[in-house]
Amino acid sequence: DTGVSQDPRHKITKRGQNVTFRCDPISEHNRLYWYRQTLGQGPEFLTYFQNEAQLEKSRLLSDRFSAERPKGSFSTLEIQRTEQGDSAMYLCAGRQGEKLFFGSGTQLSVL
Amino acid sequence: AQRVTQPEKLLSVFKGAPVELKCNYSYSGSPELFWYVQYSRQRLQLLLRHISRESIKGFTADLNKGETSFHLKKPFAQEEDSAMYYCALRGVQGAQKLVFGQGTRLTINP
Repeated sequence: DTGVSQDPRHKITKRGQNVTFRCDPISEHNRLYWYRQTLGQGPEFLTYFQNEAQLEKSRLLSDRFSAERPKGSFSTLEIQRTEQGDSAMYLCAGRQGEKLFFGSGTQLSVL
Repeated sequence: AQRVTQPEKLLSVFKGAPVELKCNYSYSGSPELFWYVQYSRQRLQLLLRHISRESIKGFTADLNKGETSFHLKKPFAQEEDSAMYYCALRGVQGAQKLVFGQGTRLTINP
């Protein structure tokens, strides 16, 4: 078990609604990443935290997306005013040394 | 710009045959290259990285800077190797972002 858990596993929402996902890494993962994966593609980097500081954001992360890691432990990713194009698997990963440990992801479907 | 290309979306070989999954990258500096694997109903996990020059589950990968490639090889495929394989690149020294290729689905036929 990599120790990274994500909640929920699946989320179905209507266009225009807000959604929030949660990621719980293990304590050794001071670095935390969010990726997005659509069908037939590899994971795409969204954002990265070192402890509670958000140090890098992708241009993919529009102003409708916001991520937090308030105490340097769990992290949340919120999408406001969801669009159908936001439908994807959202992956969280903790880093230990040079390895990324991925969670199982949250599958978002926007209807 | 950093880019990773895996030209084969699907690859099918017979058990016992050699396997080669291709990965080409675009990056002007010195990259760090990785292979990640996702078995059915499991999480994405690290298979190997070029810096460690290790062999994991019989797989090896050599970084060829001249050809900007990092192909994954195994001399004798096993059924349990069937999975989705992703090549990934970390560019600038100390940079955190991993750039992934599109992935290759490897199927080992009995």
